Amino acid sequence: NAGVTQTPKFRILKIGQSMTLQCAQDMNHNYMYWYRQDPGMGLKLIYYSVGAGITDKGEVPNGYNVSRSTTEDFPLRLELAAPSQTSVYFCASRTPTGQLTDTQYFGPGTRLTVL
Amino acid sequence: AQSVTQPDIHITVSEGASLELRCNYSYGATPYLFWYVQSPGQGLQLLLKYFSGDTLVQGIKGFEAEFKRSQSSFNLRKPSVHWSDAAEYFCAVGAYGGANNLFFGTGTRLTVIP
Repeated sequence: NAGVTQTPKFRILKIGQSMTLQCAQDMNHNYMYWYRQDPGMGLKLIYYSVGAGITDKGEVPNGYNVSRSTTEDFPLRLELAAPSQTSVYFCASRTPTGQLTDTQYFGPGTRLTVL
Repeated sequence: AQSVTQPDIHITVSEGASLELRCNYSYGATPYLFWYVQSPGQGLQLLLKYFSGDTLVQGIKGFEAEFKRSQSSFNLRKPSVHWSDAAEYFCAVGAYGGANNLFFGTGTRLTVIP
C-alpha cells in the first residue's frame, strides 16, 4: 500500500511550456484533490474529483486542467506555464465516504518552477 | 465564508519546553477542524481532528488540541517538544460543499533549539 504518490518530485519549466503532474492512489478513494502551496501561504484547492469521470473546479483553477479516467489516477495538466504557477503542488485523496470527518491523505508534493 | 487564521508565522522553542500553536477559524456552522504537520520535503500528515464530542482531542506524536467555540479557536499543544517536531504546522477547517475540502491557514513554522 503506497498511499498517494506523485511524480515528478521537481521540475523546471520555461514560460509557455506544458506538462502533466501525475498523481495516483492505491486506497480505492473516490475523492481526490489537487492543491497548490505558495510560499508563506496555506494550501489552495485547484481541482477536485468525486469519482472516475467527475471533476470540478476549486478556488484557483485558471491555467490548469484535470481528468479522472480511473479511480486510481488524477493527473493535473498545466498548459502554457507562467511564472505565477511556480509553486508546490500536492495531490490528496479521501476515504470513500467523502465526509468531512474523513482524513485526507497527501502525497509528497511536486515542486515546480517556471522561468 | 470559511477561513482560518494562524497568527504566528514562526515560533522558536527550546527542546523540552512546552508548545502552543494558535488557530482561529471562521465558519458559520459546526466546524470540522484539523491540524496537519509538514516536515521538510514531505507531504502533510494528519496530527488530529475534531468534529464533535470532547473538546480536548488527542493526536499522534503527543499532540493535543482544544476546541473553544466561544473563542473560535483550536490551539495545538504539546507539553514537551522534541527536536524532531521542527516542521510546518497547518490548521484547517473542513467546509461542506461539492468538494467537502479543507481550507488551510498559512501555517506556523516551528524551530526547536537544543
